[in-house]
Amino acid sequence: QKEVEQNSGPLSVPEGAIASLNCTYSDRVSQSFFWYRQYSGKSPELIMSIYSNGDKEDGRFTAQLNKASQYVSLLIRDSQPSDSATYLCAVLHTGGFKTIFGAGTRLFVKA
Amino acid sequence: DGGITQSPKYLFRKEGQNVTLSCEQNLNHDAMYWYRQDPGQGLRLIYYSQIVNDFQKGDIAEGYSVSREKKESFPLTVTSAQKNPTAFYLCASSLRTGDYGYTFGSGTRLTVV
Repeated sequence: QKEVEQNSGPLSVPEGAIASLNCTYSDRVSQSFFWYRQYSGKSPELIMSIYSNGDKEDGRFTAQLNKASQYVSLLIRDSQPSDSATYLCAVLHTGGFKTIFGAGTRLFVKA
Repeated sequence: DGGITQSPKYLFRKEGQNVTLSCEQNLNHDAMYWYRQDPGQGLRLIYYSQIVNDFQKGDIAEGYSVSREKKESFPLTVTSAQKNPTAFYLCASSLRTGDYGYTFGSGTRLTVV
């Protein structure tokens, strides 16, 4: 079992719709979770971090965390073509010294 | 503006050759990291450094070496012992190790020719 698992996609949504990206992790005691956006050929960019169960909103982005289910998700409201990218889920490893990344979900937003 | 600078953007290595990838940051971050990204795979940790003059092996350190003589700089050497070095190499930094997200450099694409 991979430590951080994501559906590779591609996930295709129409412009203006809500995109829902999901991630599961194996380390039950993980405490810190991150979402990065990576455009094709570019480096990742941090867009959200979440540490407590529940929802965290930042503009059009909402991160959701359920530690009991070992599940973290990212919702993108009013999706735009410029949101088309690969979204990487990342989990801080127990011990706090390194972050484990999922392989990413490719999102396409159709105009 | 603060950030992380990686160079070169593209690098070609011949068989049996060592090459060094540069990573410089002016964010005053203590922690620095090197990750490797292959198509369809997540980022894999090569080395990390929590503080100057200290660094630790990550999950795939074989065939790589690093140094951290200055807070701002964390160069990565890909040695001839790394048998499959073709990949996208990403340097990152964070304020400290722990509950902090990373700032990434723009990456170096290394190709064996």
